[in-house]
This record gives sequence, C-alpha cells and structure tokens, in this order.
Amino acid sequence: ETGVTQSPTHLIKTRGQQVTLRCSSQSGHNTVSWYQQALGQGPQFIFQYYREEENGRGNFPPRFSGLQFPNYSSELNVNALELDDSALYLCASRGGQGHNEQFFGPGTRLTVL
Amino acid sequence: AQSVTQLDSHVSVSEGTPVLLRCNYSSSYSPSLFWYVQHPNKGLQLLLKYTSAATLVKGINGFEAEFKKSETSFHLTKPSAHMSDAAEYFCVVSAAYAGGTSYGKLTFGQGTILTVHP
Repeated sequence: ETGVTQSPTHLIKTRGQQVTLRCSSQSGHNTVSWYQQALGQGPQFIFQYYREEENGRGNFPPRFSGLQFPNYSSELNVNALELDDSALYLCASRGGQGHNEQFFGPGTRLTVL
Repeated sequence: AQSVTQLDSHVSVSEGTPVLLRCNYSSSYSPSLFWYVQHPNKGLQLLLKYTSAATLVKGINGFEAEFKKSETSFHLTKPSAHMSDAAEYFCVVSAAYAGGTSYGKLTFGQGTILTVHP
C-alpha cells in the first residue's frame, strides 16, 4: 500500500510569483485535504476535495486554489506569493465520507523571498 | 465550531518517567479526537484516535489517551518515556457529524514539544 506522497520536497520562490504543489493520495482514498503549517504553529486547514470538487474551505484567500484529478491526486496553487506564505504545506488523504482518519504526506517546504 | 487548547507548549521529562501532555477541546458536534506526532522535518503520524467507542484509547508506541466529556479533555499519557519519543505532539479535533463542509476538517492545537533527557 502506497502512502501519501508530495512533490517537490522544497521550493524557493520570490514574492509575487505563483507556485503549484502536488499530492498523490493513499491508495483507495478519494478525499484530499491541504494544510499550511507556519513555523512554530499547528497546521491550518486550507481546503478539502472530494471526488474532484472542493467541499470545505478554511480562512484562506482566493489566491489559494486547488484541483483534484480523476485518480484523486491533487494540486495546490498559490498566486501572488507573499512572504507570509512561507510554510510547510501538508497534504492528507482519507477514504471519503464516514472515514475521518487522515493520513499525511511528508510536506512541501515553501520559502518565499 | 471547534477548537483545541494544548495546555503546555513544552514538556520536559527524564527517560523512563511518565509522560502527560494535556489537551482540552471544544466542539459543537460529537467530536472525533486524535493525537498526531511530528518528528523534526517529518510529516505527521497518527498516534491514536477517539471516535465515540471506548473512552480509553490505546495507540502506537505505548501511548494512551482518555476522553473525558465532562472535562472536555483528551490528555495523552505514556508510562515510561523513551528518547525516541522526543518530538512535537498535536491534539486534533474533527467534527464527527457526517455532513456539511466542516466534515473532515481537522482543527489542530498549537502543539507541545516533548523533550526527553537521558
């Protein structure tokens, strides 16, 4: 059974640029969530995708957007990067409605200069 | 609405002594509660979960947690600390209500850093 994988591991961007982060869900899982973990903080919920549709969103602006593909993998896109977007971005997957145990990937460390 | 408060930002213990990490929660619905561990530069690993079955939950690596509804607490314990337990621990709440856009959203506490001394 393959766990949750994320790419890239590390990324450095400059303010104003755009970035795309990728996540492959665990085998058999159709729901993917994204979290932002700033240094010294607990992860914050960005949004969740179920069967290719966003079905939950946290307090993040619209420049944070996402996609889920038919194979349930997902992308997180962030436009107009700001310095405060520097964080560890975590992807988690679960087996859909009725399954609330989430499995996390290793994360992507984004640094915005 | 749901929230989590971890009462200690840092806990320091000696190897072989008990560990207690404290967590209080708030939830509008019947909650599911979790403890996750994060080692440096690693992702999050699930230690244990409570989902309305037995109130005393056993997890991996000898950890346990007890759900106390009257106290809205879900403290994490281990009888004897090991050096490999040094990490950051997160208490997490999720709405167990299977509907609406809040389902599946995890709300994390601020984390407790556990240091284990030889």
